[in-house]
Amino acid sequence: QQQVKQSPQSLIVQKGGISIINCAYENTAFDYFPWYQQFPGKGPALLIAIRPDVSEKKEGRFTISFNKSAKQFSLHIMDSQPGDSATYFCAANGSGGGNKLTFGTGTQLKVEL
Amino acid sequence: NAGVTQTPKFRILKIGQSMTLQCTQDMNHNYMYWYRQDPGMGLKLIYYSVGAGITDKGEVPNGYNVSRSTTEDFPLRLELAAPSQTSVYFCASKSSPYNEQFFGPGTRLTVL
Repeated sequence: QQQVKQSPQSLIVQKGGISIINCAYENTAFDYFPWYQQFPGKGPALLIAIRPDVSEKKEGRFTISFNKSAKQFSLHIMDSQPGDSATYFCAANGSGGGNKLTFGTGTQLKVEL
Repeated sequence: NAGVTQTPKFRILKIGQSMTLQCTQDMNHNYMYWYRQDPGMGLKLIYYSVGAGITDKGEVPNGYNVSRSTTEDFPLRLELAAPSQTSVYFCASKSSPYNEQFFGPGTRLTVL
């Protein structure tokens, strides 16, 4: 049973545009929601993260919007650049011992010139 | 610090062979994780460890085994390789009470 649903599967954005990736979760026990960025041939790396007591977090061109009542959160990439072309994973932490992360299925972003 | 290192980078196995994927971290992290990544499926947790001598199953443990004899090392063992185990395997680690997991570069495994 997939507990974190991510959309879209792929996304093409023009340089300078806004990229938006959405995630929805089911388990209200999740307490930490990170976004990971993965370049081809590399391991995922933490991009930005949020806790459920905050509705928005911004770091440079990257913003997480969090809607606790709807159990949804999204990543916004402002002024998208070709260097942002990567696969993005949302995740949710909690739900038992080990601080385990449950990942979404990923979004392949391509930023075109 | 090298962070999280994984060996080998690539491996081709025949059905029924066994192998060990190595993972080492030099950050003195207590938590370590093994994931597999398949196209369109995200990352699935295979096993995890909260400290030396303690391991537990994740979402997809069948066909795998782990051990954690030291803080630094967390090897993943495949005993009888099957085509369904063709995947990219990532090791990760983190330190409590922080949430960020640090990932290794991955091992691409093909079972033919």
